[in-house]
Amino acid sequence: EIVLTQSPGTLSLSPGERATLSCRASQSVSSSLAWYQQKPGQAPRLLIYDASNRATGIPARFSGSGSGTDFTLTISSLEPEDFAVYYCQQGSNWPLTFGQGTEVEIK
Amino acid sequence: EVQLLESGGGLVQPGESLRLSCAASGFTFNTYAMRWVRQAPGKGLEWVSAISGGGTTTYYADSVKGRFTISRDNSKNTVYLQMNSLRAEDTAVYYCAQRGTTGFFDYWGQGTLVTVSS
Repeated sequence: EIVLTQSPGTLSLSPGERATLSCRASQSVSSSLAWYQQKPGQAPRLLIYDASNRATGIPARFSGSGSGTDFTLTISSLEPEDFAVYYCQQGSNWPLTFGQGTEVEIK
Repeated sequence: EVQLLESGGGLVQPGESLRLSCAASGFTFNTYAMRWVRQAPGKGLEWVSAISGGGTTTYYADSVKGRFTISRDNSKNTVYLQMNSLRAEDTAVYYCAQRGTTGFFDYWGQGTLVTVSS
């Protein structure tokens, strides 16, 4: 099973600041990695797929990078609605696995 | 517009069974694989099961293998999760999701809560 480790666990930032979230895989997943955003009481929403492609309707301030075992989600300038929990997920191998999540909270 | 609507959750005792349903609309159902993901209270996301568009191929997480069965009825645009021998650790919100054109979880339902407790 591929283990995804996200860091940090919590990121405390102010609106307008840049957020950098990390996801590290226990073995290579090539570019088969996605990022999701989840707000309290809501289902997750796909943000980024194949490591760097924005999903439909996702604002340009969200970007993804990386390949192999190290991946990054960057939010260039935080908007109030971006404070949420973010999960990475690999689609390279069964079983599909998620990281444990990074919470982006308002400082 | 893609819509996924889960139902069938509730409170059951350990060892009992429950069947979840997910009714889909807004896309050609039989051409998309479907998946179930769960989230225990206050915890992260855990993939549970997946089924191909034709229903011939299925996958399960080790934590539910032998107890849960995924199936689909393409004539009803519905995917199911039959859950047997339920345990307290199966308590979670269960989401169905479409494996979309991206290859990932493109669309999600709103979830249905399953509580296993005596």
